[in-house]
This record gives sequence, C-alpha cells and structure tokens, in this order.
Amino acid sequence: EPEVTQTPSHQVTQMGQEVILRCVPISNHLYFYWYRQILGQKVEFLVSFYNNEISEKSEIFDDQFSVERPDGSNFTLKIRSTKLEDSAMYFCASSPLAGRPYEQFFGPGTRLTVL
Amino acid sequence: AQKVTQAQTEISVVEKEDVTLDCVYETRDTTYYLFWYKQPPSGELVFLIRRNSFDEQNEISGRYSWNFQKSTSSFNFTITASQVVDSAVYFCALSDGADSNYQLIWGAGTKLIIKP
Repeated sequence: EPEVTQTPSHQVTQMGQEVILRCVPISNHLYFYWYRQILGQKVEFLVSFYNNEISEKSEIFDDQFSVERPDGSNFTLKIRSTKLEDSAMYFCASSPLAGRPYEQFFGPGTRLTVL
Repeated sequence: AQKVTQAQTEISVVEKEDVTLDCVYETRDTTYYLFWYKQPPSGELVFLIRRNSFDEQNEISGRYSWNFQKSTSSFNFTITASQVVDSAVYFCALSDGADSNYQLIWGAGTKLIIKP
C-alpha cells in the first residue's frame, strides 16, 4: 500500500542552523501539507501546497520557513535559522485531488531537536 | 472560527471495559468533514475515520464505533472491549470549506491508557 515517507526520522541541530526536512508524498496525490506537534501538545497546521505554490499558511509559518517541491516527488520544509522553540515533531501529509480529497495521509514524522 | 474540543485530557480504564472519547466541534460551514486519528507511543498518526457533514449515520468498525450528532456538534468515538494495544493519544480533527484548502483543525487529544 502506498505511503508517505519522511526523512530523517530524527534530526538534531544547533540553534541558528538551517534544516531541511524531506517528505515523499503518495505519488498520485496533489495536495501536500506540513503540520507540527510540539511534544505533548496538539497537532498544528503549518502550510498547504498545491499546484507548485503555497495555498495557505498559518501564523506559525513565518519567514523562517519555506516549502518546495524541487523534483516532482520530494516535498521539503526548510527552517532557515532554527530556534529552540522549533523543537517538535514535523508531519508531512498528502491528499488526492479527486475521490476522497479530505482524507490526509500522514508520514511517520521527523523529530527535530534544536539545542 | 473553527474549533475542536476534546475535553478529556486523559482516560484510564481496565482492559475489556468500554470507553468513549468525546469530541465537540465548531464551524459555520454546512459542509465539513470530521476525522479521528490515533497516535500510538511510536508517534505516527494513524487515520481511523472520516465523516462528512451530510452523513449522520453512525459507523461501526470492529470494536470501534462513532456517533455523529449534528444537533450537539459532537463526534464521539467508542472503543468496545478495550485492549492494551488501544493505549494511545486519540485526536479528533475538523476540515471545513473550500477556503481552508482542507487543512485539519485538531483537538488537543485524549490520552487513553488501558491497564491490563
């Protein structure tokens, strides 16, 4: 069964460093999302992406964040200068355009630790 | 504004008991979708169910059942004959309106502990 994959599973970085989190959505899906979950808290929407551009972004998704679909298969989230409060689990999700557009399939997540 | 409330922060029951997780939502849209996801200790998010606002039929899937009540804006989840493997955090989520690009609005989650 097709699934969303994310790499790395765990990333440790120093404050101020840039990180890139990678996701490979399900191949025939057209909507892509990033969500964040700070440890012990609820899942929060960051950004949605469709047709090679950002569809919507939350207040959390400030200028330090960017997303890209560089090669038609990967979907990346970049944090330019990480802060301690960026430590969280980051989930990528994808959704098909037709059929069941509201069901989002989640990857296993990347745990980001900023020291 | 959309909002999902899961008032139960943590529930602890003994194995084989039935348990109901509450979810109350707020939305101004007439078309919306409700979801339940399970997050086991390993951390991944596992899709359990999606329900659209026009379908108020309750659903049963094995030991799981869902009760959707538009009149009270609730979408409660019941596990019958709970098992230790059901221990997880359960999230209720809402997706409404084309304007939102289908982003999910999440409740705070209910941590379910099933004791042997």
